[in-house]
Amino acid sequence: GAGVSQSPSNKVTEKGKDVELRCDPISGHTALYWYRQSLGQGLEFLIYFQGNSAPDKSGLPSDRFSAERTGGSVSTLTIQRTQQEDSAVYLCASSLGPGHGTQYFGPGTRLTVL
Amino acid sequence: DAKTTQPPSMDCAEGRAANLPCNHSTISGNEYVYWYRQIHSQGPQYIIHGLKNNETNEMASLIITEDRKSSTLILPHATLRDTAVYYCIVRLPDRGSTLGRLYFGRGTQLTVWP
Repeated sequence: GAGVSQSPSNKVTEKGKDVELRCDPISGHTALYWYRQSLGQGLEFLIYFQGNSAPDKSGLPSDRFSAERTGGSVSTLTIQRTQQEDSAVYLCASSLGPGHGTQYFGPGTRLTVL
Repeated sequence: DAKTTQPPSMDCAEGRAANLPCNHSTISGNEYVYWYRQIHSQGPQYIIHGLKNNETNEMASLIITEDRKSSTLILPHATLRDTAVYYCIVRLPDRGSTLGRLYFGRGTQLTVWP
């Protein structure tokens, strides 16, 4: 596809369960970003990948959050032992990489923790 | 740390030009001005960016003042589909030690009415 894709589009889970969110960036984009947006709030940066490495993880809110990227393409954001405050829309973006600052966003995954 | 100030809301009549202001008085010499918008329940969409010169593309025009302390995004003929939250962002170029994260403030809710 031409754009960033994310799956699932919606995820409802029970408190304490683990969830995995997936992001497929635009082909050829080496930089990948995760953000989250709580209801009525702005976007909050979580983590940045350049290739398979994550030089900036400073936005991850707790050690329950982790992310990986393999093959310089697909990324997975994992939330362990989910809490109700984790409920938000999780957005992924990609860009061509260093020197190319425009980020293209996916449609997001809406996570609801009951 | 959004580094920008935008009015919380604006209205515009369909077919008229929408002029969205942004103050970025602490911008430094190598920081770009980016504009994104977010239509309800969608991921942010890139609109335009610039450094010093005015820019125009198929979506909008960006006017940056000579001292670079403010800018205006112009939608020349607003349509109902332009109703969205518009974010003005200043950021370093995505190269070297900079990490490219975007700081989204609260943005401006633009409502286009018939």
